[in-house]
Amino acid sequence: AQTVTQSQPEMSVQEAETVTLSCTYDTSESDYYLFWYKQPPSRQMILVIRQEAYKQQNATENRFSVNFQKAAKSFSLKISDSQLGDAAMYFCAYRSATEWKSGSEKLVFGKGTKLTVNP
Amino acid sequence: DTGVSQNPRHKITKRGQNVTFRCDPISEHNRLYWYRQTLGQGPEFLTYFQNEAQLEKSRLLSDRFSAERPKGSFSTLEIQRTEQGDSAMYLCASSVQGVEEQYFGPGTRLTVT
Repeated sequence: AQTVTQSQPEMSVQEAETVTLSCTYDTSESDYYLFWYKQPPSRQMILVIRQEAYKQQNATENRFSVNFQKAAKSFSLKISDSQLGDAAMYFCAYRSATEWKSGSEKLVFGKGTKLTVNP
Repeated sequence: DTGVSQNPRHKITKRGQNVTFRCDPISEHNRLYWYRQTLGQGPEFLTYFQNEAQLEKSRLLSDRFSAERPKGSFSTLEIQRTEQGDSAMYLCASSVQGVEEQYFGPGTRLTVT
């Protein structure tokens, strides 16, 4: 079974600075997707960024970028120019890309990292 | 686009009572998922529908839990004989087959006293 580990329960960053959130995962599959989701306090979870395992290029979305190291099974999220609105729980998630395999559709989440942005 | 909606947003019930939650997915999303999130943890998968068919259930889903998706539209999750350990946020998500992203609703927070 796949597992996702987020080793930083809490992180803090100064407004306008850069922060990196860590995520490692364990899988025997070669084809899969990785996601970062953001869950603001008392608000719903939204997708921040996704990465396909077969793509070598790291995904970027505006101020958000990932460092995907497939061999090391590492998938970190970098937030540049941090804003107060970035404060939230961040979850790393894994999804198999093997459509025919039972259980491939579910997301497997880490425990999350609480990000605080200081003004 | 109204997004995924869930009702009620909060539910307080006494141990032993039955509760039912509803999820309305984004229109035209044929896949619907239920997850459970306890304090300090990431969401855990419970079950998944493709159209009206329930294709997978987690072993977390005990016999007291049942989910339906009649006509492949909205879904309900029922918990019978609630226990204090059922207290959690119940999240619903939907997606389109062939698209990897899942879109989440605001959740239903259940408190069992």
